[in-house]
Amino acid sequence: GEDVEQSLFLSVREGDSSVINCTYTDSSSTYLYWYKQEPGAGLQLLTYIFSNMDMKQDQRLTVLLNKKDKHLSLRIADTQTGDSAIYFCAETAAGRLYFGRGTQLTVWP
Amino acid sequence: DTGVSQDPRHKITKRGQNVTFRCDPISEHNRLYWYRQTLGQGPEFLTYFQNEAQLEKSRLLSDRFSAERPKGSFSTLEIQRTEQGDSAMYLCASTLAGLADTQYFGPGTRLTVL
Repeated sequence: GEDVEQSLFLSVREGDSSVINCTYTDSSSTYLYWYKQEPGAGLQLLTYIFSNMDMKQDQRLTVLLNKKDKHLSLRIADTQTGDSAIYFCAETAAGRLYFGRGTQLTVWP
Repeated sequence: DTGVSQDPRHKITKRGQNVTFRCDPISEHNRLYWYRQTLGQGPEFLTYFQNEAQLEKSRLLSDRFSAERPKGSFSTLEIQRTEQGDSAMYLCASTLAGLADTQYFGPGTRLTVL
């Protein structure tokens, strides 16, 4: 559970959908998480998905999980400039979180 | 506002000095975690407590680092003889074990070692 991969940058236009992708390594992870970090701030929990689910929707956020490919994605509908931040995918192993390097999302007006 | 607080928010120190950070978790949470985040990276696990017991330490935690959670509530992280490589954001998180193990993070302490 120590090799979580994410693309580093994503740019979208305001109002479009954003899709942030992540691959993880530990198939025994019970939960997978998405966190958001704004400049100089701590991490804000956005959503999480239980490993026996394929999809979870929470307002503008949709999480898709493909356990076979160990692939997780976060879709943000109607992306706003306030969504500009770094988004981290994380998996759990032995109670600790393993994070990717984060995807910098930039939203253009 | 997640309810986890950290103090101080920023610390500038000279190499060789000792520093101590404090974390106050969400009150009913029994697990408390410390992570370190350097520029351009995700947070990396350092150590965690269940109540007052320190259950695990990362190999990243050299013997200059020590953490305590004496009464199972707040925690302190001390770095002795700081080095420039210790400059980072130190993040604290807490959770109620068993509740999706969802960790809630504080705002972090930004350490700069000159």
